[in-house]
Formats: sequence, C-alpha cells, structure tokens
Amino acid sequence: GAVVSQHPSRVICKSGTSVKIECRSLDFQATTMFWYRQFPKQSLMLMATSNEGSKATYEQGVEKDKFLINHASLTLSTLTVTSAHPEDSSFYICSAILRGLEFTEAFFGQGTRLTVV
Amino acid sequence: GQNIDQPTEMTATEGAIVQINCTYQTSGFNGLFWYQQHAGEAPTFLSYNVLDGLEEKGRFSSFLSRSKGYSYLLLKELQMKDSASYLCAVRGSASKLTFGTGTRLQVTL
Repeated sequence: GAVVSQHPSRVICKSGTSVKIECRSLDFQATTMFWYRQFPKQSLMLMATSNEGSKATYEQGVEKDKFLINHASLTLSTLTVTSAHPEDSSFYICSAILRGLEFTEAFFGQGTRLTVV
Repeated sequence: GQNIDQPTEMTATEGAIVQINCTYQTSGFNGLFWYQQHAGEAPTFLSYNVLDGLEEKGRFSSFLSRSKGYSYLLLKELQMKDSASYLCAVRGSASKLTFGTGTRLQVTL
C-alpha cells in the first residue's frame, strides 16, 4: 500500500533554534499533504494544508511565520519550526492524499517527537 | 465550524464487544473515518463511511447516520492489543480531515 515517510522520528533541539521535518510520499504522488500537531493525551489538531506549488493554508491560531511549510514537489513537504520554544514540544504528524483519490483514506507518516530544551 | 465529540475513556473486558460513539457537526461532509492510534505512534486506518449504514471489516464495524450526525465503531472479540485510542475524523471541504477528541480504550482481563 501507499507509504508516507516522515523524518526524523525524534529530535531534541535547543530553545531558539529551528527544526525541519520532512514528509515524503514514497510510491505515489500526493495532491495534498496535511500537518497535524498532537499534545499528550489529546487528539490531532490540523495545523495547515499544503498543496504542491502553492502557499500553505494555515488553520486559525497557527502562526505561519513560525511554522514554515514548503511543498516543493508532489512527493515532498517540509515543516520548519522556527525559533523553537519549549511550548512547541509536541508530536507532529503529516498525512497525504493520493492524486486522483482525494476521497479515500489519508496516509499518515510515522510522526516526529519534538522536544525543545 | 467543526465539532466532533467522542467519549474520553472506555474500559471493556477481553472477548467482549464495545461500541465507541461519535457525534459531529461540521460544515461540509465528505465521509467519516475511524483510526486506531497506539501511544507515540501514527494513526492507522480502520474504516470509512460515506453513505448511511454499516460497514463491516473483520472484528471491526462502523456505522453512519448522516441525518443524525452520528457514527459508531464496533469492536468484537476484544483482544488486549486493542487497547489504544480510537479517533473519529470527518472529511470536510478541500479533503481536510478534522479529528474528534479521541477515545482511549482499555481492555482488561
């Protein structure tokens, strides 16, 4: 089946630095990729929708200058957490939808556990 | 706006049947999904309903009533490995998935 690869799986960074998370669709072209954040014992909160070749659409309350999303190709989207702070520590997950199958299931990456110290 | 509600926690006995309910009020509806998520892992797809009725897949079944804004996930012959969070998600416009609060299921002996 379709596979979405997310990297890194875990990262620890110092406060004030930036961290880049990659989300790749390995064997299909993804029309759209979504970025979620999940705090402990909470559900997934959609941060932004990423379409190849266009600017990401951010959900209300998500700072676009802090969470930079780039979707350079149909198989790669990146999320950069800029000037990270301890409150940004969370589980970040991407998902992708197959091109031409926009109304089927979304495929999820493995997630990235970010810890800001 | 989007509002998707599930019970926060449920406990059930190994071998039993459990039903996890989900109610939703969303702007736009293009299907309802159920995902299973173990702690620290990504969600895995369980089922998809876009029309009213019951979808059965092995030990898991999912039901949808669009007029009532209601769905449930039915798990039969519970196993210890079924202890996880179960997430109800609604696909709205632009293929966006909005997740419910999630239900943590604990299966006991």
